[in-house]
Amino acid sequence: GAGVSQSPRYKVAKRGQDVALRCDPISGHVSLFWYQQALGQGPEFLTYFQNEAQLDKSGLPSDRFFAERPEGSVSTLKIQRTQQEDSAVYLCASSFGLTTYNEQFFGPGTRLTVL
Amino acid sequence: AQRVTQPEKLLSVFKGAPVELKCNYSYSGSPELFWYVQYSRQRLQLLLRHISRESIKGFTADLNKGETSFHLKKPFAQEEDSAMYYCALTGASGGSYIPTFGRGTSLIVHP
Repeated sequence: GAGVSQSPRYKVAKRGQDVALRCDPISGHVSLFWYQQALGQGPEFLTYFQNEAQLDKSGLPSDRFFAERPEGSVSTLKIQRTQQEDSAVYLCASSFGLTTYNEQFFGPGTRLTVL
Repeated sequence: AQRVTQPEKLLSVFKGAPVELKCNYSYSGSPELFWYVQYSRQRLQLLLRHISRESIKGFTADLNKGETSFHLKKPFAQEEDSAMYYCALTGASGGSYIPTFGRGTSLIVHP
């Protein structure tokens, strides 16, 4: 079956522009995670959902970042008034449950470049 | 706070040599530990997890709680093992479930 998909794959934004990044998880996966990966670094946790509930958003770097998953499936990560430091690869992952040993399935990522 | 440290940014070996990718962690409770791998032009994927006590593609990892380590080992490296390897920890804190990744180690296996 299809894996996790993300769109767009690449996004170039001018500083101050708003962007929206989409994630389609694997069908039936309850948990959905967003990560930010800067060049040369590992994925940094941003937020996660269990179904439509956002259970933790402690990793969001500022109030310019907002994530939603209104129907417990597709999720959108929105960044308002983008800044150059927001340039990174944004990864989405989903997993079947929420137990700590569940495997996460990753999408290909969205590479955001803010000019 | 939970933390994962991968001290080597790059590890370069020849085919057939043993490989050990180091991972140390900091966590106050009992963590779940994983190794993820990213091959060139592919997405991040799970390699193995400590709870399964499995060997995948010849790789093994043993959780050493005394040394707070979860090093990844393979006795004889193959060229197709060349990839980025990330050690990851998940732990419940205050009812929340936060995954933490290390910065990654790039493994290059020369012919």
